[in-house]
Amino acid sequence: DAGVTQSPTHLIKTRGQQVTLRCSPKSGHDTVSWYQQALGQGPQFIFQYYEEEERQRGNFPDRFSGHQFPNYSSELNVNALLLGDSALYLCASSLYDTQYFGPGTRLTVL
Amino acid sequence: AQSVTQLGSHVSVSEGALVLLRCNYSSSVPPYLFWYVQYPNQGLQLLLKYTTGATLVKGINGFEAEFKKSETSFHLTKPSAHMSDAAEYFCAVSPQNSGGSNYKLTFGKGTLLTVNP
Repeated sequence: DAGVTQSPTHLIKTRGQQVTLRCSPKSGHDTVSWYQQALGQGPQFIFQYYEEEERQRGNFPDRFSGHQFPNYSSELNVNALLLGDSALYLCASSLYDTQYFGPGTRLTVL
Repeated sequence: AQSVTQLGSHVSVSEGALVLLRCNYSSSVPPYLFWYVQYPNQGLQLLLKYTTGATLVKGINGFEAEFKKSETSFHLTKPSAHMSDAAEYFCAVSPQNSGGSNYKLTFGKGTLLTVNP
């Protein structure tokens, strides 16, 4: 049974660019959450998708947007990248009370 | 709002010694509680969780944690540390929800565990 997968593994962008990160949940999971983990910090909740709709959102600006597809996979989009957006972006999938994380995408903004 | 405090950003133990990582939470009602481990350059792996029932929960790799409502704590322990336990450990909480759906996790800042030979 494949776990949560994310692509790409690493990404380098410059300020002002836009980026799209992708996530495939564990088989049978219908909920996808996205987190940002800055260096040396705990993950911070960005938003959660369920039934193709954003169910809950953390304290992140509108530059951060997402999408969930009918097969439950998800994308995270970040526009107008800032240096401070450099972080590990984690996707987690869940069915009930427990979230399972993917390996993350390391985004570096130069 | 929920919050998590992990006391000690860095804990160092000798191989074979007791591991104790501290976690306290703030929540208006008892939340669901989780411990995750993160190895360098990897994602988070679930160690154990408490939702309902027995307050002493056992997880993978010999770890266990006890939910103490009166102390709003969920400390993680392991009787004997192994070199492979060296990693960053995160305590997290999420709200209970009777509908079975789940909401955001709120994480502590993490505790880096080093194990000395």
